[in-house]
Amino acid sequence: DTGVSQNPRHKITKRGQNVTFRCDPISEHNRLYWYRQTLGQGPEFLTYFQNEAQLEKSRLLSDRFSAERPKGSFSTLEIQRTEQGDSAMYLCAPSPSGNTDTQYFGPGTRLTVL
Amino acid sequence: TQLLEQSPQFLSIQEGENLTVYCNSSSVFSSLQWYRQEPGEGPVLLVTVVTGGEVKKLKRLTFQFGDARKDSSLHITAAQPGDTGLYLCAGAGNQGGKLIFGQGTELSVKP
Repeated sequence: DTGVSQNPRHKITKRGQNVTFRCDPISEHNRLYWYRQTLGQGPEFLTYFQNEAQLEKSRLLSDRFSAERPKGSFSTLEIQRTEQGDSAMYLCAPSPSGNTDTQYFGPGTRLTVL
Repeated sequence: TQLLEQSPQFLSIQEGENLTVYCNSSSVFSSLQWYRQEPGEGPVLLVTVVTGGEVKKLKRLTFQFGDARKDSSLHITAAQPGDTGLYLCAGAGNQGGKLIFGQGTELSVKP
């Protein structure tokens, strides 16, 4: 158990609706990464935070996606006007201070867009 | 663009057999991680290898990092049904620590 929680674990929504996911890491993880994983593929990088600062965004992250980490602890990922292509597992992975190569993944949020 | 090619994509073997999964790239990585993932769950970290030529053992699992830090392998000895799952390799480049994942190897071990 990594101690990382993600909520909700599953989300079913209709196309065009907005959804928000939350990631709660254990403390002292100053970096936090978001990935997206579609069926049969490895996870793909979306964005990451160093404390509360968002330092990099993948080109996979369209304008409909926004992520925040307001106090450098928990993080949220919002998708506006969802599309069927957004259906995937969304994973957050905090990284311990001093060892940014090692990332411990949360259980993920499975999004299904109908 | 850094890419990791993982092979084979699918592997179905009998209990007790040995197997090797490969992870190859033309890029150099500062480290490489191996994860195991079960359906509906996030990947679970198995090992991190950092030094070229490094070999790490975790019970029946042996991980090796290539001398040039461009490739890695995972060898499982005497596979058991509990080893069934998706095995992922992931390389960390020098760009903010984000991980580049291979496509994964779906392993099925039949009793």
